[in-house]
Amino acid sequence: GAVVSQHPSRVICKSGTSVKIECRSLDFQATTMFWYRQFPKKSLMLMATSNEGSKATYEQGVEKDKFLINHASLTLSTLTVTSAHPEDSSFYICGRVEQSRGYTFGSGTRLTVV
Amino acid sequence: AQSVTQLGSHVSVSEGALVLLRCNYSSSVPPYLFWYVQYPNQGLQLLLKYTTGATLVKGINGFEAEFKKSETSFHLTKPSAHMSDAAEYFCAVSVNSGNTPLVFGKGTRLSVIA
Repeated sequence: GAVVSQHPSRVICKSGTSVKIECRSLDFQATTMFWYRQFPKKSLMLMATSNEGSKATYEQGVEKDKFLINHASLTLSTLTVTSAHPEDSSFYICGRVEQSRGYTFGSGTRLTVV
Repeated sequence: AQSVTQLGSHVSVSEGALVLLRCNYSSSVPPYLFWYVQYPNQGLQLLLKYTTGATLVKGINGFEAEFKKSETSFHLTKPSAHMSDAAEYFCAVSVNSGNTPLVFGKGTRLSVIA
């Protein structure tokens, strides 16, 4: 079964509302998780690195206040898209890394803002 | 900084023909290299990875890749394409499998023609 659980897989929200995406590490405690965004027919762009117990490290050009990342426990990282607009519609994927297991990714969340 | 370049955003092959997807990397330190496959609206599935040791890496579904340091390449091949191989393929690089994120190429869409 999936060892990185991402939820929801699909979400449709109204413009101006906020949406939370959860990423759970099911089989071990992940101190570091990553959030990527994938535009249609484009590559995966790293948005931020989520660190348990501390602030996320955002990539250049990613709005920290718009894409809130919280890594409050060793098994859960969340991405909240605040005041969503149609241009935020995208496919979001979380992932984690561990020395012996390597990189593992969630199944992704398709966000559509209408 | 690390980066990967995937040559060809779209590759089309006939069923049973050789599959060759090209990836060149740039890294100032020995790289860890990966190939992932993505089916529509799904997450990433690891095909294979190179960390150290043997430069010819065999992965799942009959795919393999060869790390060529002199050419800074990590091309993905499969002797005989199957219809089920049609998907998006991503090459990725990291400097180690510690807490650094993967950097992905732009992806290559593989179409298999019957």
